[in-house]
Amino acid sequence: EDKVVQSPLSLVVHEGDTVTLNCSYEVTNFRSLLWYKQEKKAPTFLFMLTSSGIEKKSGRLSSILDKKELFSILNITATQTGDSAIYLCAVGNNNAGNMLTFGGGTRLMVKP
Amino acid sequence: KAGVTQTPRYLIKTRGQQVTLSCSPISGHRSVSWYQQTPGQGLQFLFEYFSETQRNKGNFPGRFSGRQFSNSRSEMNVSTLELGDSALYLCASSSDTNNSPLHFGNGTRLTVT
Repeated sequence: EDKVVQSPLSLVVHEGDTVTLNCSYEVTNFRSLLWYKQEKKAPTFLFMLTSSGIEKKSGRLSSILDKKELFSILNITATQTGDSAIYLCAVGNNNAGNMLTFGGGTRLMVKP
Repeated sequence: KAGVTQTPRYLIKTRGQQVTLSCSPISGHRSVSWYQQTPGQGLQFLFEYFSETQRNKGNFPGRFSGRQFSNSRSEMNVSTLELGDSALYLCASSSDTNNSPLHFGNGTRLTVT
């Protein structure tokens, strides 16, 4: 059974801080790893990673995948209050169509 | 391009009743997936439909069912509702090209009393 574990469970930082969110996974036939941000309702897509060592970047957010050690990190630099959300990590399996297995999420709170 | 649309936004039902939730995917997306989100279990996969066929199914009882229409719109049905079915039900669509991500709707918040 595929499994995703995220850490920490929650995090409180101040604006301007840099945070690193962790995601470790076990999957029988790795297809991809995805990061989502969930504020109130719909998780919104951030990154999809399929290859090790290639950093994906979007503004202050970046992410990298290590397929040998089976983990990914999501970095947020110069955090803002608008970054407060639950960050979800998920893995896809080549044997399972578009089904994703999600981790429990990291709840990030950024204080002014 | 319009996003994934789910209706209704909120529902309150009584134990034993049944409910139908609706999802319209992003135009051109043929894959539709459903997830249940609860504080205790997080996001759990219910099922995926592609071209009107169920392609994958999660570990939920048979009370949970779904279907997809020829225009890719999808519905899910929960019969004989239980208190534990109270959750946010999220629908997601994908273009199903190689490694395309899922895009989620805002969900339907179901409360069972």
